[in-house]
Amino acid sequence: QKEVEQDPGPLSVPEGAIVSLNCTYSNSAFQYFMWYRQYSRKGPELLMYTYSSGNKEDGRFTAQVDKSSKYISLFIRDSQPSDSATYLCAMNGIGKLTFGKGITLSVRP
Amino acid sequence: DTGVSQNPRHKITKRGQNVTFRCDPISEHNRLYWYRQTLGQGPEFLTYFQNEAQLEKSRLLSDRFSAERPKGSFSTLEIQRTEQGDSAMYLCASSPWQGARTEAFFGQGTRLTVV
Repeated sequence: QKEVEQDPGPLSVPEGAIVSLNCTYSNSAFQYFMWYRQYSRKGPELLMYTYSSGNKEDGRFTAQVDKSSKYISLFIRDSQPSDSATYLCAMNGIGKLTFGKGITLSVRP
Repeated sequence: DTGVSQNPRHKITKRGQNVTFRCDPISEHNRLYWYRQTLGQGPEFLTYFQNEAQLEKSRLLSDRFSAERPKGSFSTLEIQRTEQGDSAMYLCASSPWQGARTEAFFGQGTRLTVV
């Protein structure tokens, strides 16, 4: 079992839809959780960062962490074509950052 | 620009040659990571530094790979005797790693093509 599992894609939604992206993890040492957005042939861009259970909101993005279930989610409201990218979840405890495989999102105009 | 800077952005090399990549982290970030990413995959951990100390290396990092971070500032990743399987995007990230501030910021990567 991989330490971080991310829902497989790709995912295609119409503009304006609510998108839910999910990851599960197995390592209880993970305390810090991040979501990155990556456009083709570019480096990952940090979208959201949290270190506690619960929700964190930033504009159209909401990050949710449930440490008891070892489950994290990223919600995108009112999705836009410019949100089309690969989304990566990442997490760490005291050491290296461990990533999910990523999911490619396409938002259709 | 105060972001993570990686050079070169692209590198094409012949099999068997040595290559070196450079990463300049965000100023005063004490943790620096190196990752490798191939098409359709998430970034794969290679190694990381806390200041100048190399704290962990992936078992995937063969003896042909070496990384340094002299004086805890910029870092270099060298690949000796490159193979076609080394073709990938090499990503560098830095983190402040102070208290709850552990978020990592990535550079734009160095795309390596071994022909």
